[in-house]
Amino acid sequence: AQSVTQLGSHVSVSEGALVLLRCNYSSSVPPYLFWYVQYPNQGLQLLLKYTTGATLVKGINGFEAEFKKSETSFHLTKPSAHMSDAAEYFCAVSGRNTGNQFYFGTGTSLTVIP
Amino acid sequence: NAGVMQNPRHLVRRRGQEARLRCSPMKGHSHVYWYRQLPEEGLKFMVYLQKENIIDESGMPKERFSAEFPKEGPSILRIQQVVRGDSAAYFCASSTPSGRGWNEQYFGPGTRLTVT
Repeated sequence: AQSVTQLGSHVSVSEGALVLLRCNYSSSVPPYLFWYVQYPNQGLQLLLKYTTGATLVKGINGFEAEFKKSETSFHLTKPSAHMSDAAEYFCAVSGRNTGNQFYFGTGTSLTVIP
Repeated sequence: NAGVMQNPRHLVRRRGQEARLRCSPMKGHSHVYWYRQLPEEGLKFMVYLQKENIIDESGMPKERFSAEFPKEGPSILRIQQVVRGDSAAYFCASSTPSGRGWNEQYFGPGTRLTVT
């Protein structure tokens, strides 16, 4: 079975500061991992994904995430926060044997303080 | 290339009425997924469909909820005799049958259902 835990339902950072959003997963098989962003009243947009290969993946808008198998983590980072990054961020996992169903975390709301 | 379309974007129903939510997948996508997002929660998988087939409905409530994806036309999520607890945002996603063991899912803007 797969599940996702996002630590911190609300994160506030100053503009220009490092963004770190945490995601830990549990999976009985090596997972596929995703980060999505949701702006108010909109659908989810894929930021980045890890499926295989290099464990550090780069996504859109300057975000990146690193798959750490030993820590079962897939934390999302961005070196310098921008006001436009304020949104809800969801981590999701999909198992290699159940590739069709995504399991989402409860989300982290990011606030960027000017 | 139009993205995933959902309509209506907002739907208000009184308790006991039926709600019909529609989802048109991206062009070329034959797989559709429905998710429900309750307030302050993440998305919960409901059902996965291919054209004319329900592949996985393990997340669907046993009663009042049904889904279909006909050969022609959009996918429909139907909720009969709605109750206040059905108030949520319902998201549809679509994908291609990638054959890679995982499918990149593209999400629609959602339908926000309010039951009064």
